[in-house]
Amino acid sequence: IAGITQAPTSQILAAGRRMTLRCTQDMRHNAMYWYRQDLGLGLRLIHYSNTAGTTGKGEVPDGYSVSRANTDDFPLTLASAVPSQTSVYFCASSDEQGNTDTQYFGPGTRLTVL
Amino acid sequence: GQNIDQPTEMTATEGAIVQINCTYQTSGFNGLFWYQQHAGEAPTFLSYNVLDGLEEKGRFSSFLSRSKGYSYLLLKELQMKDSASYLCAVKDSNYQLIWGAGTKLIIKP
Repeated sequence: IAGITQAPTSQILAAGRRMTLRCTQDMRHNAMYWYRQDLGLGLRLIHYSNTAGTTGKGEVPDGYSVSRANTDDFPLTLASAVPSQTSVYFCASSDEQGNTDTQYFGPGTRLTVL
Repeated sequence: GQNIDQPTEMTATEGAIVQINCTYQTSGFNGLFWYQQHAGEAPTFLSYNVLDGLEEKGRFSSFLSRSKGYSYLLLKELQMKDSASYLCAVKDSNYQLIWGAGTKLIIKP
């Protein structure tokens, strides 16, 4: 079934630890995104990639890094996790960076940093 | 700053009609999206408006007024499965989506 997968589904992490959230899409979409969703707030863009080999910073990039070695994969790394990074993380992809491209979301990763 | 405003929560009755409003102030405008998000799940696309007017898609319709910075999502013949959060998002001048906090819709029998 075509779509976006994320791993892990959920994770409890000690502060200071390094963590990589995985995201893979099989729709051959050029653009990919990482969002965090916190209660009472809208989805906030962390990082994005318009095409393989390029990445850009979103609204809340501090403490996170990404890479886009190929079209399908877009991992998000927390180098040294802090409690404020406790959130639900969604990966999304879209066919083109333009007016009408629709973003399709993965199932999310629920991360708790203690 | 950029801002998307929507009511936090709304309650409606099964079989009725509900209108969820969204107002926005963004740097540029390249379209407005509505997404549905059931609790614990990912957002899923509902509608897209870039020109003024009403877009109808089955039981759901979405309206846009660019001059007023205003949109609404209209849900007709409400069903229990429509209980979800509805997210309004605007694509700004950088083609990034700016998201509202969402409106939690509670459907009562």
